[in-house]
Amino acid sequence: GEDVEQSLFLSVREGDSSVINCTYTDSSSTYLYWYKQEPGAGLQLLTYIFSNMDMKQDQRLTVLLNKKDKHLSLRIADTQTGDSAIYFCAEKAGGFKTIFGAGTRLFVKA
Amino acid sequence: DSGVTQTPKHLITATGQRVTLRCSPRSGDLSVYWYQQSLDQGLQFLIQYYNGEERAKGNILERFSAQQFPDLHSELNLSSLELGDSALYFCASSVATADTQYFGPGTRLTVL
Repeated sequence: GEDVEQSLFLSVREGDSSVINCTYTDSSSTYLYWYKQEPGAGLQLLTYIFSNMDMKQDQRLTVLLNKKDKHLSLRIADTQTGDSAIYFCAEKAGGFKTIFGAGTRLFVKA
Repeated sequence: DSGVTQTPKHLITATGQRVTLRCSPRSGDLSVYWYQQSLDQGLQFLIQYYNGEERAKGNILERFSAQQFPDLHSELNLSSLELGDSALYFCASSVATADTQYFGPGTRLTVL
């Protein structure tokens, strides 16, 4: 069935790069998304990548997609304390469904 | 600000009660989605409406129901509340049925 998996926690030092990984199962996925959730807030769309792309860069964010391995990653360069949040990976699977991962909690140490 | 609004922000009620959560989608969006987020279950998809009609159903309990009105706002009704229903309830909207979803700020429900 359709599933999206992410590691639950990641801890980095301020100024380092963070890499959050995600794997998905539906090979017919068209879009893959990264959302950010800060404490007490809703999910904010960070970026997305179309399935025929390998990479997308947006300022400090780099998304890499390995479609063969069904692996998606989000790299945050020069991680700041304000980047501390939960990051959700999601895929737009076949039909009408968007499947969300469980979220990766990013801790940034000053 | 995503443009999706939800009311109320917080709701505290007792077991056995019934509550209604409200969502207004972004201007121009026809689809509305409801999600439940609890500590132990993560983000769970409940139900989706498109232009007033139910489009997809997820892990929604029979005690829960939703509808989308002609002005496209949506309400999620939770009845016979149990302690385990305490969670954040998010609404999201998208232009059509399978487009990028934009989330509201959520309603935090506490059942005592």
